[in-house]
Amino acid sequence: DIQMTQSPSSLSASVGDRVTITCRASQDINSYLAWFQQKPGKAPKPLIYAASSLQSGVPSKFSGSGSGTDFTLTISGLQPEDFATYHCQQYHTYPLTFGGGTKVEIK
Amino acid sequence: QVQLQESGPGLVKPSETLSLTCTVSGFSITNDNYWAWVRQSPGKGLEWIGAVCHGGDTHYNPSLKSRVTISMDTSTNQFSLRVSSVTAADTAVYYCARRTKVVVRGSHWHFDLWGRGTLVTVSS
Repeated sequence: DIQMTQSPSSLSASVGDRVTITCRASQDINSYLAWFQQKPGKAPKPLIYAASSLQSGVPSKFSGSGSGTDFTLTISGLQPEDFATYHCQQYHTYPLTFGGGTKVEIK
Repeated sequence: QVQLQESGPGLVKPSETLSLTCTVSGFSITNDNYWAWVRQSPGKGLEWIGAVCHGGDTHYNPSLKSRVTISMDTSTNQFSLRVSSVTAADTAVYYCARRTKVVVRGSHWHFDLWGRGTLVTVSS
């Protein structure tokens, strides 16, 4: 299985901050990577696919980059509604696998 | 509006079979998509269980493959999950989800729609 490692596992940030979350794959997955936002008690919300393509309706303050094994999710101008857990997921190879999640908390 | 809704028992006894159904509304499951199940144990990460498509193609997570069956019922526009011989480790929120193909620098089968999830507890 391809292991997906996210860092950090949690971070504290203030409203207006720019935050970056990293996701590393245990082998080359080209750009077959997605990012999700999840709030407590809710389903994951798709944000990005193909490493950098925004899902329909997702604001441009979210951006993704990377290819191969190293990827980043950046959130610009953090707002109260952005405090949540973020997951990366590879769909290059079965079984599909997710990272452990990064919890973004209010400082 | 396309929606996915999970349904099924919220409590299953150990060693029995967990059965869930995902009802898809506003979209035909015979379209060119994969229909998947993902679960999340309390306080843990997301685990892909498996998926099915209309052509009959199925894929399962090897960690669960011997106990899992995913099937489709086109007459009711639903797809289903069965997990046999459950233990407490199968206690989780179970989500159904749709994978859609987008061609951009390759064919990207990405999750674009999720159900709200249903909690299944395994306990006697």
